[in-house]
Amino acid sequence: GESVGLHLPTLSVQEGDNSIINCAYSNSASDYFIWYKQESGKGPQFIIDIRSNMDKRQGQRVTVLLNKTVKHLSLQIAATQPGDSAVYFCAENILNDYKLSFGAGTTVTVRA
Amino acid sequence: DADVTQTPRNRITKTGKRIMLECSQTKGHDRMYWYRQDPGLGLRLIYYSFDVKDINKGEISDGYSVSRQAQAKFSLSLESAIPNQTALYFCATSAPSQPQHFGDGTRLSIL
Repeated sequence: GESVGLHLPTLSVQEGDNSIINCAYSNSASDYFIWYKQESGKGPQFIIDIRSNMDKRQGQRVTVLLNKTVKHLSLQIAATQPGDSAVYFCAENILNDYKLSFGAGTTVTVRA
Repeated sequence: DADVTQTPRNRITKTGKRIMLECSQTKGHDRMYWYRQDPGLGLRLIYYSFDVKDINKGEISDGYSVSRQAQAKFSLSLESAIPNQTALYFCATSAPSQPQHFGDGTRLSIL
């Protein structure tokens, strides 16, 4: 089975609200985590990453939180915009290993 | 210009045909990957290469082969295509300990 998974396959968000996308992982040896955004007709686009020696990392309008105790990862998007509508994937990796394990994705739809 | 370019973007073919999907990159990365994406599933790794002389199987390599012609080029072949290989195919590149960067994919349909 999958070692990385997202809690919800879909998320509908009102424009301007904050979005939270959750991800659970099962491999306690994983030490590097990435969030990707995939728009229709395009490949996954890197959003933000975090290494296991951190529990929070912020980017532009995005924050990733890592809870190693419960093996949980989340992506927070502030002030969600229509352009944020996409499928979001979390992925886990053992640093410098080849294997990037992806979850099935959460489809985010932004309501006007 | 795209850093990771995949050709063709779309392909429809028949069962039993040989198919080659091409990937080229301008990022200067040594590592290249081929993934398959099916509806409702995450990306699954088919093959990966850490340099020109290095080829490794991923989790779903059966029915596929690859060729690393140069640092910048990595092609995926289906020797005898079958309908359950209908999927989106993505090429990716990375530097060590860095995120993978993806092309925009090839949509392959096998009738």
